[in-house]
Amino acid sequence: GIQVEQSPPDLILQEGANSTLRCNFSDSVNNLQWFHQNPWGQLINLFYIPSGTKQNGRLSATTVATERYSLLYISSSQTTDSGVYFCAVEPHTQAGTALIFGKGTTLSVSS
Amino acid sequence: NAGVTQTPKFQVLKTGQSMTLQCAQDMNHEYMSWYRQDPGMGLRLIHYSVGAGITDQGEVPNGYNVSRSTTEDFPLRLLSAAPSQTSVYFCASSYSRDRGLDEQFFGPGTRLTVL
Repeated sequence: GIQVEQSPPDLILQEGANSTLRCNFSDSVNNLQWFHQNPWGQLINLFYIPSGTKQNGRLSATTVATERYSLLYISSSQTTDSGVYFCAVEPHTQAGTALIFGKGTTLSVSS
Repeated sequence: NAGVTQTPKFQVLKTGQSMTLQCAQDMNHEYMSWYRQDPGMGLRLIHYSVGAGITDQGEVPNGYNVSRSTTEDFPLRLLSAAPSQTSVYFCASSYSRDRGLDEQFFGPGTRLTVL
């Protein structure tokens, strides 16, 4: 099956710093989504981004489907950005049926 | 609009007991799914449904049953709980697009401990 690898596994930042999280996938996908899991466990959808670039406030994401990777940019990080960031892909071979998750990047932002 | 709701929030079972985790959504989504989250493993798909009356297995279906009698509800049944089923369980839903799944919405999760 498809492999979804996220890097780095852990990231520690000071408030105000910028960061880039990466998601690599091993096969063709229909779509890619980024999620944030906050310290209370709630999963929030950040981006639905099968290709191209999207921005939402301090966060932006870019997916290059032909090269099988996506990047999540966090600028001017805040303590509320702490948590786990997951990338999830819908493989072409499982269209309409499954999202496959990476193992996540754990981000800790200190003041 | 409550979104995706799950009950209970916490549950402790003894080995061999059965229980049902409830999931409901009020967004008229065709697609619903169950995931389990274990430390260091990300989220793994247990079962999914693409519409009322249609269910199928995901990556880790053993020990779990599902049914989808209505668009709104997608319960997950543990027939005989085992300690290996200790985990956090998430329900998710979305519309189905022509070429696949739309943006996924997750419930708050159920933390299950099997002793």
